[in-house]
Amino acid sequence: QITLKESGPTLVKPTQTLTLTCSFSGFSLTTERVGVGWIRQPPGKALEWLALIFWDDDERYSPSLRSRLSITKDTSKNQVVLTMTDVDPVDTASYYCAYGTGRTFDYWGQGTLVTVSS
Amino acid sequence: DIQMTQSPSSLSASVGDRVTISCRASQGIGNHLAWFQQKPGKAPKPLIYGASSLQSGVPSKFSGSGSGTDFTLTIRSLQPEDFATYYCQQYDGYPFTFGPGTTVDIK
Repeated sequence: QITLKESGPTLVKPTQTLTLTCSFSGFSLTTERVGVGWIRQPPGKALEWLALIFWDDDERYSPSLRSRLSITKDTSKNQVVLTMTDVDPVDTASYYCAYGTGRTFDYWGQGTLVTVSS
Repeated sequence: DIQMTQSPSSLSASVGDRVTISCRASQGIGNHLAWFQQKPGKAPKPLIYGASSLQSGVPSKFSGSGSGTDFTLTIRSLQPEDFATYYCQQYDGYPFTFGPGTTVDIK
């Protein structure tokens, strides 16, 4: 059974760095074609794809956020970490991590709401 | 980036209705199109991948069709649990992009 769960701060101040952790079970990020991605959703708005990391360390990012994002994996801990620098109130959103095998995202975490406010 | 549009943005329907939602890509994406259902306060639920293949456990009342730039999600015999927002997503090219969503509510 594949499960994913996001964790991190619920409140971050503007200009700070946001670090979110996706802890997963039921699969390994060393298995061919497996990837874990991050997607966010501002309150009342649509989904936005952020980043994706694959079993072979290939990393993909949203071009509009590339300069502020970093995605890493720790296969021994079954975790993927997303770091976003210089946050702004517009980054207030629910952040989801999700599992896929090259055919979009088949399993999603429950999401975590992050508010950026001073 | 590949832009995704959906129509309508919202629709009202009755229990038992057949509902069709359209999704269009700004360039051809083959069949690399997925559909998700999202209810308030919940994570998106994958429904369809490859434009027409049902995710495991998704009832056959949901169906998808299309290829290239034009796609359709059809829900047969709408039930109370189907009232939600539906998103399409292309995974043909990076960055992956989602449509703006279609909200299906009760008439």
